[in-house]
Amino acid sequence: ETGVTQTPRHLVMGMTNKKSLKCEQHLGHNAMYWYKQSAKKPLELMFVYNFKEQTENNSVPSRFSPECPNSSHLFLHLHTLQPEDSALYLCASSQERWGTQYFGPGTRLLVL
Amino acid sequence: QKEVEQDPGPLSVPEGAIVSLNCTYSNSAFQYFMWYRQYSRKGPELLMYTYSSGNKEDGRFTAQVDKSSKYISLFIRDSQPSDSATYLCAMSEGSGGSNYKLTFGKGTLLTVNP
Repeated sequence: ETGVTQTPRHLVMGMTNKKSLKCEQHLGHNAMYWYKQSAKKPLELMFVYNFKEQTENNSVPSRFSPECPNSSHLFLHLHTLQPEDSALYLCASSQERWGTQYFGPGTRLLVL
Repeated sequence: QKEVEQDPGPLSVPEGAIVSLNCTYSNSAFQYFMWYRQYSRKGPELLMYTYSSGNKEDGRFTAQVDKSSKYISLFIRDSQPSDSATYLCAMSEGSGGSNYKLTFGKGTLLTVNP
């Protein structure tokens, strides 16, 4: 595997479900990001991790819970989501915080 | 006023046309400007990266920044069907190690017809 990978690529969940999104980067980077991409809207930054430490939470609701066990892996735990949370969730990484960011393919999430 | 404005299109052009994509912004502190290309069902990939005002050329792509007008452009010469994608502009006040996040435009959907 090369670059930034994300699993699953597609996810359908009910509002009462709990699921997790996974991101892995194979670039040796130290910073990782979660973004939300909704139709007709700019990319919205959700969380930033640098050397496994969360450095930014962009006022994200608590039903989204990130986890960064090491610099290569990033998770986004989801619970009791709302239909308006349906979107493409993108993971990115960079060598240093706010350096050039490389994106994964995203997870397309549908909340019913 | 939104921080970054980008016409979402869609923009449809014939193969071989010159394409012009644009963004305007309101924050005069932005100094780093990027263009990302996003194919359908893929994540964005960095296409062009420029600092401050001026032009940068890479093959068929030219990025222009006019800080006095707070206006950036991406030109695609001899456009190809493979250029069909959504193009996102992004910008930041700083780069690398600084606490400056990227601010994105909404993206412009481009279709190049054979």
